[in-house]
Amino acid sequence: QVQLVQSGAEVKKPGASVKVSCKASGYTFTSYYLHWVRQAPGQGLEWMGIISPGGGTTSHAQKFQGKVTMTRDTSTSTVYMELSSLRSEDTAVYYCARERTVDTAMFFDYWGQGTLVTVSS
Amino acid sequence: DIQMTQSPSSLSASVGDRVTITCQASQHISNSLNWYQQKPGKAPKLLIYDASNLETGVPSRFSGSGSGTDFTFTISSLQPEDIATYYCQQYDNLSYTFGQGTKLEIK
Repeated sequence: QVQLVQSGAEVKKPGASVKVSCKASGYTFTSYYLHWVRQAPGQGLEWMGIISPGGGTTSHAQKFQGKVTMTRDTSTSTVYMELSSLRSEDTAVYYCARERTVDTAMFFDYWGQGTLVTVSS
Repeated sequence: DIQMTQSPSSLSASVGDRVTITCQASQHISNSLNWYQQKPGKAPKLLIYDASNLETGVPSRFSGSGSGTDFTFTISSLQPEDIATYYCQQYDNLSYTFGQGTKLEIK
């Protein structure tokens, strides 16, 4: 069965960086794009970016320009999201999600369990 | 970027009620609209894709409609297990935007 398993919770100081992993299993890793979505405490969902596990190409929301780096390791079927220059506003649960397409439709059909990143001095 | 305006932000209804949530896009998005359900402490779950297609395994009391800029999500008969927050999400040219969410509570 399809699974996306994320790394554990992190506590970081302002100005530091954090790297969250998302390990995929149960399907062909390179056949589906993966996305990162975050959710601040008590807030809504915010799309951050997308990575192609096959070619490694990425795209991200303009808000995260210069702040987010997405990479992948095909040997372990894992994608990574690194967030730099952390601020308290980056405290959130970070999710990875798999994109599935049906004709022209695109949607997130499987999600990781979420990784809480807390930024606090 | 395309903005999504979802309403209401919260809703209280009784078991068995018909519940409707709306989502409006800031520009035309054809049918590129999905609906998700999120329960506390859990990841979102896909319910409806491409505006009106029910995801496999999702109860038929959930439905979606609309096209262009105006979309509607309906629960035909509210059940206790439907208590959650619901989000619309659009996708267009590498832009993926969620609505603000609708928190659904039992009256």
